[in-house]
Order: sequence, then structure tokens, then C-alpha cells
Amino acid sequence: GAVVSQHPSWVICKSGTSVKIECRSLDFQATTMFWYRQFPKQSLMLMATSNEGSKATYEQGVEKDKFLINHASLTLSTLTVTSAHPEDSSFYICSAPAREVGANEKLFFGSGTQLSVL
Amino acid sequence: DQQVKQNSPSLSVQEGRISILNCDYTNSMFDYFLWYKKYPAEGPTFLISISSIKDKNEDGRFTVFLNKSAKHLSLHIVPSQPGDSAVYFCAASRFNFGNEKLTFGTGTRLTIIP
Repeated sequence: GAVVSQHPSWVICKSGTSVKIECRSLDFQATTMFWYRQFPKQSLMLMATSNEGSKATYEQGVEKDKFLINHASLTLSTLTVTSAHPEDSSFYICSAPAREVGANEKLFFGSGTQLSVL
Repeated sequence: DQQVKQNSPSLSVQEGRISILNCDYTNSMFDYFLWYKKYPAEGPTFLISISSIKDKNEDGRFTVFLNKSAKHLSLHIVPSQPGDSAVYFCAASRFNFGNEKLTFGTGTRLTIIP
């Protein structure tokens, strides 16, 4: 199936620093990518929709100035957590839609990034 | 407002038996439903889906049932295997398009006992 590569897998940072997470579609082009966040024992919550060549669309309650999304090319979207605080510690996952041969289009997920803010 | 709910946080099933995972939803606009499997520290992987025009979809050991009037779906795994141990999320969307955003349930941790 289609491969979505996400880096880093985990990151530990000090409070107040910024962290960038990359999401790449390896064998297909993605005009749209989705960024999710999962807190322990909770559901995956959609944070924002990343659109290549235009501004991201943020879900209600997600601060766009804190979670900067850049979709610079058809294969790369980045999420930057600015001035991270301990409450931002979470599992962040990106996903992108792709169509496999003979199948409907569906979402493929990256492996996720565990962010721990000290 | 949790529009997709999985009321059982965990489930243990003997190997070889049937595993039944349940999911309820509240938004009547949802038209397409999916099940994802997730291992720790990994992203979810797609398992099976069903459109609202169907009430059953089968793929090998996995079958998803949809009761639209009850706003309920279930995933049956038979026979259950140790490799099925994972967290299972149900998800829903308004359309059957990959670029339609998904609303996820809270997940059910399935443990298959050898």
C-alpha cells in the first residue's frame, strides 16, 4: 500500500522550545494531509487539514499560531509545535489519502511522533 | 461531544474464538465507516470499511456489520489469532472519499489469549 513516512518517531524537548514534525508521502502525491493528535487512552482527534499551496484548515479549538502547518510540496507537510509546553505532550500522527490499484481511496497514516515536553 | 463511541475500552478473547468489537455513533450524516488497527507507537492501519448502503462487508477473517437504524456497527474477527492483539478504532465520515476527514472512536484494546 501507499507509504506515509513521519519523523521523528519521538522527541523530548524543553518547555518553550519549538518542535518540527515531518510527514512525507513516499510513493504518491498528496494535495491534502491530515494531522491528528492522540492523548493517552483517548481517541485520535483531528487537529488540522493541510493543503498543498494554500493555508491549512484548523479544527475548532486548535490554535493555528501554536501549531504551524506548512504543506510546501505534494509530498511533504510539516507540523511545528511552537513554544511547546508540557500540556502539548501527546502522540501526533499525520495521514494522507491515496488510492491503491483496484480499491477506493483511503487514508494512510504515518507511524506517529511521541512528543514529550519537559 | 463524542460522535463515535466505543464503550468497551478493553476485550480479552481466547485464541480461536470470535472477537466482537462494538461501535456506536450519533451523527446521522455519517455515511461511511471504517475500522483501523493500531499497535503501540505506530500509526493506525486500515482494516475494513462499510458504506451505509450495505449492512455487511466481509474480508477474510474480518466482517463488519452495520445497523443504520440503531447507529451501531460491529467488527467480528473469527478465528481470533494472537497477532490480532492491538487497539481497534472505528471511524466514520460523511463520504467515501479518502480526503474526507474521519471522526474516530476512543478505541478498544483487544487481547487474544493463547
